[in-house]
Order: sequence, then structure tokens, then C-alpha cells
Amino acid sequence: DTEVTQTPKHLVMGMTNKKSLKCEQHMGHRAMYWYKQKAKKPPELMFVYSYEKLSINESVPSRFSPECPNSSLLNLHLHALQPEDSALYLCASSSGQGQNIQYFGAGTRLSVL
Amino acid sequence: GQNIDQPTEMTATEGAIVQINCTYQTSGFNGLFWYQQHAGEAPTFLSYNVLDGLEEKGRFSSFLSRSKGYSYLLLKELQMKDSASYLCAVREEGGGNKLTFGTGTQLKVEL
Repeated sequence: DTEVTQTPKHLVMGMTNKKSLKCEQHMGHRAMYWYKQKAKKPPELMFVYSYEKLSINESVPSRFSPECPNSSLLNLHLHALQPEDSALYLCASSSGQGQNIQYFGAGTRLSVL
Repeated sequence: GQNIDQPTEMTATEGAIVQINCTYQTSGFNGLFWYQQHAGEAPTFLSYNVLDGLEEKGRFSSFLSRSKGYSYLLLKELQMKDSASYLCAVREEGGGNKLTFGTGTQLKVEL
């Protein structure tokens, strides 16, 4: 089983709203990732959590705030987003060792109005 | 930093074989991954290479030459459902498992 579950599947929000994206995995993976993907472009890494600690922040604006409550859960809190933040947000997880292959969730399609 | 190149689009016939190339430049190589992504869906892991040579998995094979900074994904017995974007991703040494993706190759399989 290589399932990573993301909710919601779709989200529409205004620029003044606060919302959260959620990601869950039950594979015992110890690393979790947030990516942003615009149409017809490759995924771009935003954040990496390793053993529940933030290990990589790719200079993401502070209106995106990640949180890792435990080893199975990863959240992305959104506040005061801009229309250009509209994209597919993908979560991934990996074991944290060996080949360390990243497995992706189906994503949240976000539209900012 | 890294520079990863793939062809933008390819077209092939059902039942045929297609090879998708990927070239990369990196300061410290630590693995190359191929993913398949259907429109609006998650990338799905296909293959991983870290040593030179060919890795075979059913209809899909992936080849790596580290000295040439080159990989290819070979798809045999093409099916219509293989129409998708194929992403090459490179991992650097000491990068904390950060993957840098190429722009992807959109493969269209025709009858």
C-alpha cells in the first residue's frame, strides 16, 4: 500500500480567507513533503519534514505555513493568498531511508479568487 | 543547481515501443526517478536508478549513464492508457531527498 490521502480535493478561497490543506499517510514513512504544481509545469518543492521536523523550506512566502502534528499527518495552512497561488498542491511521503522513494497524494486543486 | 532536459512532446502508436530521454547536469548525483502523471492526477512512481545500467519492470525499463548525465525510460507494447506526462527527477547528494523535476514529456499514444 502506497497511499497518501489529501483533503480536500478542491478548494476555492478568497484572498482574505484562512484555510488548511491536510495530508495523511499510514505507511510508517518519516518524511513528508509539500509541492506546488502549476498547469503544464513540473512539481516544485515547497517544504520537507523529516522525523516531524522542518528540514527544507524552499523560500516559500509566509502566507503558506506548514505543520506536522505527528509522523502520519501534514498540514499546510493558507492565509492571505494571492490569485497566482492557484495551483495543484501535492503532498508526498517517503520512508526516510534506503531508496527513499516519494509517493504522492492526488493533490488539492486550489483556486484563489 | 541542476539542469534537467526532456523532450516536450512525443507521439507513438499503440503496440509500439517509445524511448523518452532525460539529460541532467548536477553537482552531486544521488539517484534518478521516473514518474508518470495523468492530467490532474498525482505523479505515480515508475522507476529508480542510482547505478549505471538498465532496470526492468514489466513493460517499463529505465536506463542510467552517470558519466554521460543521461537516462531514458523505455515503454514497450504501448497502450492508450500510457498517454500521460512522464517526469524525470534527479536527487542530489546531501540535499535531504529533495527532488528536482524536469519539465516532463507529454506522450500521446495513437491508434
